[in-house]
Amino acid sequence: QIQLQQSGPGLVKPSQTLSLTCAISGDTVSSISAAWTWIRQSPSRGLEWLGRTYYRSKWYNDYGVSVKSRITINPDASKNQFSLQLNSVSPDDTAVYYCARTLGPGFDYWGRGTLVTVSS
Amino acid sequence: DIVMTQSPDSLAVSPGERATINCKSSQSVLYSSNNKNHLAWYQQKPGQPPKLLIYWASTRESGVPDRFTGSGSGTDFTLTISSLQAEDVALYYCQQYYTTPFTFGGGTKVEIK
Repeated sequence: QIQLQQSGPGLVKPSQTLSLTCAISGDTVSSISAAWTWIRQSPSRGLEWLGRTYYRSKWYNDYGVSVKSRITINPDASKNQFSLQLNSVSPDDTAVYYCARTLGPGFDYWGRGTLVTVSS
Repeated sequence: DIVMTQSPDSLAVSPGERATINCKSSQSVLYSSNNKNHLAWYQQKPGQPPKLLIYWASTRESGVPDRFTGSGSGTDFTLTISSLQAEDVALYYCQQYYTTPFTFGGGTKVEIK
């Protein structure tokens, strides 16, 4: 049974860094079949794919255009987890953040979501 | 980016009746190398993450009732719920995984009439 357990603060001040972690059970972050993804959802933006990390003999990352200059997704094989860092946040980054797995066709497992509010 | 446009924004259907949701992509998501449409459908209920229903435009995820059917090819797709049940009240989203950035439709809210 694959589970994705999200952790991280629900409140971040403007201009600071949003940091979330997704711990994986039932699969491995180093899987050569999977990609590990962050997606956010807000009333203004809907569902927005933020980026992914995946291992195919070496580590790769892809990021969404709207956040590309501010985002880092890092795998941690020793802890079987991956993380999201989003720098210089503004209230526009307020959203529910999800981690998810894909084997290619669609996102088949999701974390429960973390509501992150950007406010002073 | 590929823009995914869903219609209608919402619909109300009587129990047992058919619900039809449309999704249009701004460019084809049919991948020539595998002849598959890189299109998925999700169901989202309040307070929950989206749940994968359909992938490759028409393949049901394991455990998804057969009243859910995906169809279409290229740029035009449809999700049909053949006989709406009370538990099907939810938001439904399409998503393309043809190319990054992967993008989602704006969602369709399905309610009971």
